[in-house]
Amino acid sequence: NAGVMQNPRHLVRRRGQEARLRCSPMKGHSHVYWYRQLPEEGLKFMVYLQKENIIDESGMPKERFSAEFPKEGPSILRIQQVVRGDSAAYFCASSQGPTNTEAFFGQGTRLTVV
Amino acid sequence: DAKTTQPNSMESNEEEPVHLPCNHSTISGTDYIHWYRQLPSQGPEYVIHGLTSNVNNRMASLAIAEDRKSSTLILHRATLRDAAVYYCILRDLGTGRRALTFGSGTRLQVQP
Repeated sequence: NAGVMQNPRHLVRRRGQEARLRCSPMKGHSHVYWYRQLPEEGLKFMVYLQKENIIDESGMPKERFSAEFPKEGPSILRIQQVVRGDSAAYFCASSQGPTNTEAFFGQGTRLTVV
Repeated sequence: DAKTTQPNSMESNEEEPVHLPCNHSTISGTDYIHWYRQLPSQGPEYVIHGLTSNVNNRMASLAIAEDRKSSTLILHRATLRDAAVYYCILRDLGTGRRALTFGSGTRLQVQP
């Protein structure tokens, strides 16, 4: 059973471009969480999704950021018109259900905006 | 969300036990105590969790104070691979917010 898969592992974008980060949850998991970690800082919650629904997006910036988790395929975190301050590691986690105690994290996507 | 307080950093010697403290004086009755750790350049990984009773698993032990206002993660024999940031997180699985909320954690250094 493969773990949470994130791709790409490293992504370089020029200012103004779009970044698309993908997360395939563990098999059987229908709950996905996205976190951002700025250099030398802690993990900040961004958004929690369940298949086709956004459950909690309280940590998501109001502009340029969006997330989806379609019925088929991976969850996507999309950042439009990237700026240097978007450079960070983005981690995805999945769990089997909302009350499961353990969340499994991917290895992250490291976004660098040049 | 109830808040946790952890020391910024701790040091240990290899093969010695490590006790990582966490204070959570505003914990509610339905808050579970979770510990995750993040090794350098990796995503966080689950370590252990508990509600009221002490817990043991293959990675660590969790000692929970009787009043639940504090807890201690115990690594019985630290190895170099245990050098990581350890996060103590309260999570109310009964209602409301489901996502884990990470604080700044304790950075554990293990000396050979």
